[in-house]
Amino acid sequence: EPEVTQTPSHQVTQMGQEVILRCVPISNHLYFYWYRQILGQKVEFLVSFYNNEISEKSEIFDDQFSVERPDGSNFTLKIRSTKLEDSAMYFCASLGRLGSYNEQFFGPGTRLTVL
Amino acid sequence: GNSVTQMEGPVTLSEEAFLTINCTYTATGYPSLFWYVQYPGEGLQLLLKATKADDKGSNKGFEATYRKETTSFHLEKGSVQVSDSAVYFCALSNAGNNRKLIWGLGTSLAVNP
Repeated sequence: EPEVTQTPSHQVTQMGQEVILRCVPISNHLYFYWYRQILGQKVEFLVSFYNNEISEKSEIFDDQFSVERPDGSNFTLKIRSTKLEDSAMYFCASLGRLGSYNEQFFGPGTRLTVL
Repeated sequence: GNSVTQMEGPVTLSEEAFLTINCTYTATGYPSLFWYVQYPGEGLQLLLKATKADDKGSNKGFEATYRKETTSFHLEKGSVQVSDSAVYFCALSNAGNNRKLIWGLGTSLAVNP
């Protein structure tokens, strides 16, 4: 069964450092998403991506964040200068089509710890 | 805007008890509704979904019915097991919002033997 994969599973970084979180969506999917979940809190939408551009982003997704699909298979989230409050689980998801019956498939997540 | 309000936890039940976790939503148009489950230390798994009014989603003994008149999508299970201990998230998506998921706060369920 196809699945979404994410690497690394856990990333520890120093405040102010850049991190890149990687995702490999399901191969024939067209819509891609990043969500984050701060420990013990709700899941929050960060950004959606379609046709090689951002289709929507939340207020959390400021200039420190960027996304890219560099090679047609990977989907990356970059945080340029990490802050303590960026510590969270980051989930990637992909969706085949926008139809109401379709569901997003989630990766296992990357736990980001900013020290 | 779109939002999901979910019953606060934690919920603690004994094995074989009946479970209800309430979820109500606010949305424009006709959203799709979902329940996701997150087992300890794991990612998000789709538990069930419903895409139109009066649809009933079901999986692993869990059920939820899309009630447009009460804007609700309550999760129920007739007899919970210890293995059902997890955090349950209600969520919605809308065609007008690129199908991004809007999430409830999550309800932690602990089932004791």
